[in-house]
Amino acid sequence: DAGVTQSPTHLIKTRGQQVTLRCSPKSGHDTVSWYQQALGQGPQFIFQYYEEEERQRGNFPDRFSGHQFPNYSSELNVNALLLGDSALYLCASSLGDRVAGELFFGEGSRLTVL
Amino acid sequence: RKEVEQDPGPFNVPEGATVAFNCTYSNSASQSFFWYRQDCRKEPKLLMSVYSSGNEDGRFTAQLNRASQYISLLIRDSKLSDSATYLCAAKGLTGGGNKLTFGTGTQLKVEL
Repeated sequence: DAGVTQSPTHLIKTRGQQVTLRCSPKSGHDTVSWYQQALGQGPQFIFQYYEEEERQRGNFPDRFSGHQFPNYSSELNVNALLLGDSALYLCASSLGDRVAGELFFGEGSRLTVL
Repeated sequence: RKEVEQDPGPFNVPEGATVAFNCTYSNSASQSFFWYRQDCRKEPKLLMSVYSSGNEDGRFTAQLNRASQYISLLIRDSKLSDSATYLCAAKGLTGGGNKLTFGTGTQLKVEL
């Protein structure tokens, strides 16, 4: 039973570039949430996708966008990268978006912006 | 004020010690609470859910105090392998679904 998988695990970009991160949810899960964790901070909620729609969004600018595919996998896109976007980006999957749905985290994609 | 607040530590304790972490939350609408463990440069892993009645799992005990809006984690007989960052999280704010709101984490270092 595959858990949550994310790719790439590490990447380095320069300011102004764009990045796409990918996530495959745990088998049987249909909801994907994305979190950003800066060094020394707790994860911050970016947005959540369910039924291929963005259902909730945290306090992140429009440079952060996402997509969910029919197979429930998801992408996170960040445009016009800033130095402050350097962080660990975590994907979490769940069955449904209700309160009771337990979240399972992937190992994350570590983005460094130079 | 942050929705979930923790003392960042670090807490440096000798092996075998008992250590307690507290976490406060500001929104009384929060429905569920959790402690996650995060090893260096790894993803958070669920350690325990927190219930009003308190719950225990081996050396770990978690408690929720809704009146004072805080949750706690007690670790007894600390092991070197307990060294990690402990994140508290709240879920279930109005309209929030299963979105987790995390604290900044408390770093624990268990030493010989």
